[in-house]
Amino acid sequence: KAGVTQTPRYLIKTRGQQVTLSCSPISGHRSVSWYQQTPGQGLQFLFEYFSETQRNKGNFPGRFSGRQFSNSRSEMNVSTLELGDSALYLCASSPNTDTQYFGPGTRLTVL
Amino acid sequence: AQSVTQPDIHITVSEGASLELRCNYSYGATPYLFWYVQSPGQGLQLLLKYFSGDTLVQGIKGFEAEFKRSQSSFNLRKPSVHWSDAAEYFCAVGPSSNTGKLIFGQGTTLQVKP
Repeated sequence: KAGVTQTPRYLIKTRGQQVTLSCSPISGHRSVSWYQQTPGQGLQFLFEYFSETQRNKGNFPGRFSGRQFSNSRSEMNVSTLELGDSALYLCASSPNTDTQYFGPGTRLTVL
Repeated sequence: AQSVTQPDIHITVSEGASLELRCNYSYGATPYLFWYVQSPGQGLQLLLKYFSGDTLVQGIKGFEAEFKRSQSSFNLRKPSVHWSDAAEYFCAVGPSSNTGKLIFGQGTTLQVKP
């Protein structure tokens, strides 16, 4: 099976812009979770979607949002970008929420 | 509050030497426990996991981990380290079911000396 894919792999934006990141889970996986990884804060949970419903949300401002489509693909959106949003954004999929398999990540740089 | 602590930020071992990476967790119930490895610029690869049963679990690449409830620990071990094991290692804890949320430790960077 193909692994989790994330697009784009690298992205450069400027402050105030918005960005959309995409994640395609492993075939058959219905749960998709998103994490932000920064040198200072480490890996932090953003949100989780299961069957198109947000099931869990981390402690991030409302500028961070996501959604999941009927084919389990997921997108996350960050509006009004700030410098501190520069990070590696990781997507993980799971067949049944107990074990998560991660994609390669999208490296977002905000200038 | 739920938390994971990896006391060692950076560890250096010689190739062929044994390795132990420490992980302590704070969690109200019996947690699901994981070890992931991340190479530079890459995503996280699952090394092993513990849900229940035998407290010594075997993973990929020759790694194993032991769950010790009394010490709230889940330390990762490898008998003989290879240069390709140099990477960052993350311990994570998750709830038993119904959510995919993982809480990660800060990570331990492993350097391997030739």
